[in-house]
Amino acid sequence: AQSVTQLDSQVPVFEEAPVELRCNYSSSVSVYLFWYVQYPNQGLQLLLKYLSGSTLVKGINGFEAEFNKSQTSFHLRKPSVHISDTAEYFCAVSELRSTWGSSNYKLTFGKGTLLTVNP
Amino acid sequence: DAMVIQNPRYQVTQFGKPVTLSCSQTLNHNVMYWYQQKSSQAPKLLFHYYDKDFNNEADTPDNFQSRRPNTSFCFLDIRSPGLGDAAMYLCATSVGGKAQHFGDGTRLSIL
Repeated sequence: AQSVTQLDSQVPVFEEAPVELRCNYSSSVSVYLFWYVQYPNQGLQLLLKYLSGSTLVKGINGFEAEFNKSQTSFHLRKPSVHISDTAEYFCAVSELRSTWGSSNYKLTFGKGTLLTVNP
Repeated sequence: DAMVIQNPRYQVTQFGKPVTLSCSQTLNHNVMYWYQQKSSQAPKLLFHYYDKDFNNEADTPDNFQSRRPNTSFCFLDIRSPGLGDAAMYLCATSVGGKAQHFGDGTRLSIL
């Protein structure tokens, strides 16, 4: 079964500093990988996704992530954060299976990382 | 813009009084999901529809039901809400195993 580990539950940083939010996953099959952001009292917004191809994925709001298959990681990075980036960030994975079934499109989420950007 | 819309954004109900949350989508996605999210936790999948096929998670209480009358709409029915059911309820859609698109959620309070 797939699982996702977000190594940091909280990450405080100062405005304009770089940030990396770490995500590791385990799966016995190929996966799709996602990062979502959630602002207070809102739903989840897709930041970026890795489906195939280039391992460096660029998303919205200046975020990017790199898929590392050997280390089973998908860390999220931003070179310079803003106050408005303060939010909860969730890493998620869905498994690709050769036989079509409900597990093909179920997401497994990490527990989330609260990014707090201070002035 | 194509989107996932949840109504209402905030819902208050009484202990034991049935409540229905609604979700509509203009994305024409074939898969629709309902999640429960409690404070400072990740979303927890309750069930999903693949087209008209209903897929319940093994640990979803019987108290939670769902209906999908057509591609665009999906409802979450809580037959007898308890205090532990107070949470944010998120609807999402997808095409197969690709990215899920979420609505803004309905925050449910139980009095």
